[in-house]
Amino acid sequence: EAGVAQSPRYKIIEKRQSVAFWCNPISGHATLYWYQQILGQGPKLLIQFQNNGVVDDSQLPKDRFSAERLKGVDSTLKIQPAKLEDSAVYLCASSLLTSGGQNIQYFGAGTRLSVL
Amino acid sequence: AQTVTQSQPEMSVQEAETVTLSCTYDTSESDYYLFWYKQPPSRQMILVIRQEAYKQQNATENRFSVNFQKAAKSFSLKISDSQLGDAAMYFCAYSGYSTLTFGKGTMLLVSP
Repeated sequence: EAGVAQSPRYKIIEKRQSVAFWCNPISGHATLYWYQQILGQGPKLLIQFQNNGVVDDSQLPKDRFSAERLKGVDSTLKIQPAKLEDSAVYLCASSLLTSGGQNIQYFGAGTRLSVL
Repeated sequence: AQTVTQSQPEMSVQEAETVTLSCTYDTSESDYYLFWYKQPPSRQMILVIRQEAYKQQNATENRFSVNFQKAAKSFSLKISDSQLGDAAMYFCAYSGYSTLTFGKGTMLLVSP
């Protein structure tokens, strides 16, 4: 079974530029998550989708971050314009269920973003 | 809001020895799950072990076991017979009725 795929693995941009990350979840997983992991910290949820609808985006900085999940499969996360503090690893995860502890999340390898 | 605290930024262990990673959490929910995830350098995060709060029996997965103390809100991970491949960042995480909340992680170093 293929895992969660993310691209690119690394990205370096200058502040005020825009950037986009792509995620392909495990086949059949209805729920998709984007996390931000700043160096030295645990992952923080940015947005959660169930199929192509948003379940939780309360921690997404909506003035610069946007995400979509067209057709309920692949997803893209965009930052425009980027700030220095956006430097982090962006993790995508997927799961079969929507919520609850029995809902195991499977993670991709992440995209490491450096904003100069 | 739920919080997860890992008080050990870094731990060291020798091969074949046993090490315990600590985790405490705070919640007002009665039904929840706790997880330990492993994140090797530049590799994806994988689930190590999961504990359901309503189960008194501690979860075990091969060399990995937990000590779940519900009243103390403590959830430690014990790694027995440590191997070089166990070297990684370990995250404790909580899930109630909403999404995962992670601790800051403990870096485990394994020496030959």
